[in-house]
Amino acid sequence: GAGVSQSPSNKVTEKGKDVELRCDPISGHTALYWYRQSLGQGLEFLIYFQGNSAPDKSGLPSDRFSAERTGGSVSTLTIQRTQQEDSAVYLCASSVGLAGGAYEQYFGPGTRLTVT
Amino acid sequence: KNEVEQSPQNLTAQEGEFITINCSYSVGISALHWLQQHPGGGIVSLFMLSSGKKKHGRLIATINIQEKHSSLHITASHPRDSAVYICAVANTDKLIFGTGTRLQVFP
Repeated sequence: GAGVSQSPSNKVTEKGKDVELRCDPISGHTALYWYRQSLGQGLEFLIYFQGNSAPDKSGLPSDRFSAERTGGSVSTLTIQRTQQEDSAVYLCASSVGLAGGAYEQYFGPGTRLTVT
Repeated sequence: KNEVEQSPQNLTAQEGEFITINCSYSVGISALHWLQQHPGGGIVSLFMLSSGKKKHGRLIATINIQEKHSSLHITASHPRDSAVYICAVANTDKLIFGTGTRLQVFP
């Protein structure tokens, strides 16, 4: 079956504009994670969903970042008033269960965001 | 101090060499993951383990829960093994990542 897909694969935007990044998880996966990888840096947790609920938003860098998930499937990460420091690869991963339950995560190919 | 530490940060090897990458962590975990990230950026899960040892082809992963330490071994390394290897621990319901080990294997 299909893996995790993300769109767009690349996004170049001007500083101050809003962007939406989309993640389509593997069908049936209830857990969905968003991560960020800045150039030359490690992976950074942003937010996760169990179904449509986001119990932990502690990783979101600022209130310009928000995410939602609908129908227990597709998720959208929105960045408002983008700044240059938002430039990074945004990765989505899905799993049959939450990380605490020791479930494998399947990663999407990522969206490379460049803010000019 | 980072909650997940990997060593070495960079590793260069000749084809055929035995490779070991280490990961130490300081938090309670329910599982430890080893991930592989190729130059194109895609991330693949190699192993998830809570105890003992797992083997898949030329890759072996071990974990010592008491010592809070895991190792990833690659036997008979090959240039196609060149990638960044990332250790991540499951703490509560999220993953905490190490900074990765960049491996280059030369023919």
